[in-house]
Formats: sequence, structure tokens, C-alpha cells
Amino acid sequence: QVQLVQSGAEVKNPGASVKVSCKALGYTFTDHSLHWVRQAPGQRLEWMGWIIVGDGNTHYSQHFQDRVTITRDTSANTAYMELSSLRSEDTAVYYCVRETRYCSGGTCRDYFEYWGQGTLVTVSS
Amino acid sequence: EIVLTQSPATLSLSPGERATLSCRASQSVSSYLAWYQQKRGQAPRLLIYDASNRATGISARFSGSGSGTDFTLTISSLEPEDFAVYYCHQRSNWPETFGQGTKVEIK
Repeated sequence: QVQLVQSGAEVKNPGASVKVSCKALGYTFTDHSLHWVRQAPGQRLEWMGWIIVGDGNTHYSQHFQDRVTITRDTSANTAYMELSSLRSEDTAVYYCVRETRYCSGGTCRDYFEYWGQGTLVTVSS
Repeated sequence: EIVLTQSPATLSLSPGERATLSCRASQSVSSYLAWYQQKRGQAPRLLIYDASNRATGISARFSGSGSGTDFTLTISSLEPEDFAVYYCHQRSNWPETFGQGTKVEIK
């Protein structure tokens, strides 16, 4: 079955960078885009960006535009999210998410069906 | 950016009762809206897509309605496993955004 397995928790100092991995299992990696969503303590979910795994094109939220980089290694069926210039407000659980296409009434749209288990990133001095 | 506002923040109900959750968008998202359930320490789970369609494997006690700016998630009769936080999510406009969540707690 489809699984997204993320790397373990990280503790970083302010100003550092973190790179979180997401290994895809149970499906053809290049067939589906992957997104990154984060959730700070007590906050709503926040979309960060996505990668079209097939061709490597990326799109980022303007909120993270200059600090986030999403990449993928198709030989390892793994996607990565790197966030730089970390600050305390970046303390959050980071999720990778795979879309599934749902069709209704002749219209097909993609929704977030498969989520990784989440990676807690703590930014603290 | 489209802001999704959910109400109420907390809903205190007993098992067997009906839950009605609201999500209002700051501008129209047509029907490009989803609902998720999140339990403590777990990732969100997709419940409803296109505002009113149940995702694969989701119980019929969950239903969604609405279009444009006003949406509702209804749980017809709460089971013990339904006590959780629920989020709405729009993919109509970039960047996609989420509501702040409604917690359904045991009364």
C-alpha cells in the first residue's frame, strides 16, 4: 500500500538549515506530485510548496519563497524539503503529502490523500 | 490569499449526537474544498473532497455540503473515534490554505 516515510526529528539552532526526507513506497514515484505542509504548535496547517516529481518542477508559497527548496531523487524514490535561515517560529511538524485524483460529475481534481508520519523540527538555541 | 474561517472553535457533544461544523471562505472557492480529520499525534486524514463527496473508505455518517463561500461538515451520529480536530482546505486559489480547525470533544 502507499506509504510516505519521513526522516526523524531534528533540533536546530536559529540560522541553521534543516533537510527532511520523504521516501515513497507502494506506488510509482514519478506518477504523483508531492507537497510539503507544516503545522506549528496550536496553529493551522500551512502549505509550503510542491514538486512535480516527474520533471522536477517546483512551486513555493511566497511565505517561504526564499528559504525553502524541494527536490527529489527518483533513483531513491525520495523527496526532500530543505528550509534555511531557521527561526523559532519554524518549530513545527513537517509533513510530505501525496495527491490522489478524484473525479466527480466529469471533473477531476487532486486532493491530499496520503500523508507522511510527520517530522518534528525544533528550532532552539 | 483566501482565508478559511471555521466555527465553532470547539464543539462539545456526546456520542450519538449530531455534529455540524462550518467553514467560510473569504472569497469563492467554487466546490474545490476538502475536509480532514486529525487525531492527536497523527497526520490528517482526507474525509470529503469537492465539498460533498466522501473519500475512499470514509463512513457514510460523514457528509459535506456547500459551494462558493459557505461549507458544512456533518457527522450524523458521533462515534467515540470521531472525537478529533477537523480542518477545511481550499485548492481553488493559490496559495492553497487551511482553516484553523474545529475540535470536537466529548461532553
